[in-house]
Amino acid sequence: DSGVTQTPKHLITATGQRVTLRCSPRSGDLSVYWYQQSLDQGLQFLIQYYNGEERAKGNILERFSAQQFPDLHSELNLSSLELGDSALYFCASSVGAGQGANTEAFFGQGTRLTVV
Amino acid sequence: AQTVTQSQPEMSVQEAETVTLSCTYDTSESNYYLFWYKQPPSRQMILVIRQEAYKQQNATENRFSVNFQKAAKSFSLKISDSQLGDTAMYFCASTDPTSGTYKYIFGTGTRLKVLA
Repeated sequence: DSGVTQTPKHLITATGQRVTLRCSPRSGDLSVYWYQQSLDQGLQFLIQYYNGEERAKGNILERFSAQQFPDLHSELNLSSLELGDSALYFCASSVGAGQGANTEAFFGQGTRLTVV
Repeated sequence: AQTVTQSQPEMSVQEAETVTLSCTYDTSESNYYLFWYKQPPSRQMILVIRQEAYKQQNATENRFSVNFQKAAKSFSLKISDSQLGDTAMYFCASTDPTSGTYKYIFGTGTRLKVLA
């Protein structure tokens, strides 16, 4: 158990809909990262938040947005869903933001999103 | 942009034998971190081993070891005494020091099958 909790584990929804994925980081971790893993692909970085503020952005679509709340949990919002958005969405957390030696990120178990 | 390349989409090895998975990366930075993650059918991302680029000594974790060749930008994973439970996707990843964050750049993965 990595200590990172993602809910829900599975989500099936129709095209055009909007969903929210939730992530609770490990206790004490200030950074949250979101990754997308399409079928049989590597993980693609979407976005990072550090202590409530956006820190880095990757190839995140405009239809997607995220935020990190004061209690440090994060939500990834996916809207106007398309079939191609079907993927495994991972959240990871780490202590720091991008400096220093503590680099390890701990991954949640992922949310499998299926768009039909 | 930083890239991580895994040129072996699939590999197989007999139980108790040794197998090496290849990974190359491209960065102009001198200080970064490299990782191997295991993703079993459960889809959980499990950290196998980590290497800090400023350390010349190759990291080892029980049956897992790396061959880190900084000049060649190569980071291969050796699994000794392979076990059936090692069957999984293996992803090589690198931090992206130019980003100022700890986001990871992942390779496309190697699917390893351990044969009984």
